[in-house]
Amino acid sequence: SAVISQKPSRDICQRGTSLTIQCQVDSQVTMMFWYRQQPGQSLTLIATANQGSEATYESGFVIDKFPISRPNLTFSTLTVSNMSPEDSSIYLCSVEGLAVNEQFFGPGTRLTVL
Amino acid sequence: GEDVEQSLFLSVREGDSSVINCTYTDSSSTYLYWYKQEPGAGLQLLTYIFSNMDMKQDQRLTVLLNKKDKHLSLRIADTQTGDSAIYFCAERGDDYKLSFGAGTTVTVRA
Repeated sequence: SAVISQKPSRDICQRGTSLTIQCQVDSQVTMMFWYRQQPGQSLTLIATANQGSEATYESGFVIDKFPISRPNLTFSTLTVSNMSPEDSSIYLCSVEGLAVNEQFFGPGTRLTVL
Repeated sequence: GEDVEQSLFLSVREGDSSVINCTYTDSSSTYLYWYKQEPGAGLQLLTYIFSNMDMKQDQRLTVLLNKKDKHLSLRIADTQTGDSAIYFCAERGDDYKLSFGAGTTVTVRA
């Protein structure tokens, strides 16, 4: 299975600021995704991070609010911009593993916005 | 869009079997997954099943799929205290994206 790390693991931020979350995988993967898990809720897909091109966003999520980079096959970043308390969530990256049927998740970044 | 539903809570006695149920609506689902989330942790992939299969067993875990009824279940044999967690059912379509259920909180009591 792929080993995925995320930085930071948690952060407390002030409203109006931005936070960039990093996702690093120990092997090259084709598919990388970013999910949000609001408190006590399930996971919602934010976007698919595409290597070398713009991310593909799901309904309700826009690039201005959640810019994503994916410069290579092992790394991606998600920025949460102009944060408000409603952005307080766990943000998780996931990857499609070497066995293309398996999707693995990073440990998540727990974000609290005051 | 896809819709995945699960019961929210399950309480089971240590040593008994747990059965967690899930229903989904997308008939084009290719794979169905079970993930485990322990408090404060990320998601751990437990097992998955291809939509053309009806059963998969992996040690204490048994997955049953009724494609006609779009019903998926996860059975945990000999449930232990370490099995206390939230269990998420998820389906995947052709586009690799996962749609998750709300999660079932399993509590194992002594």
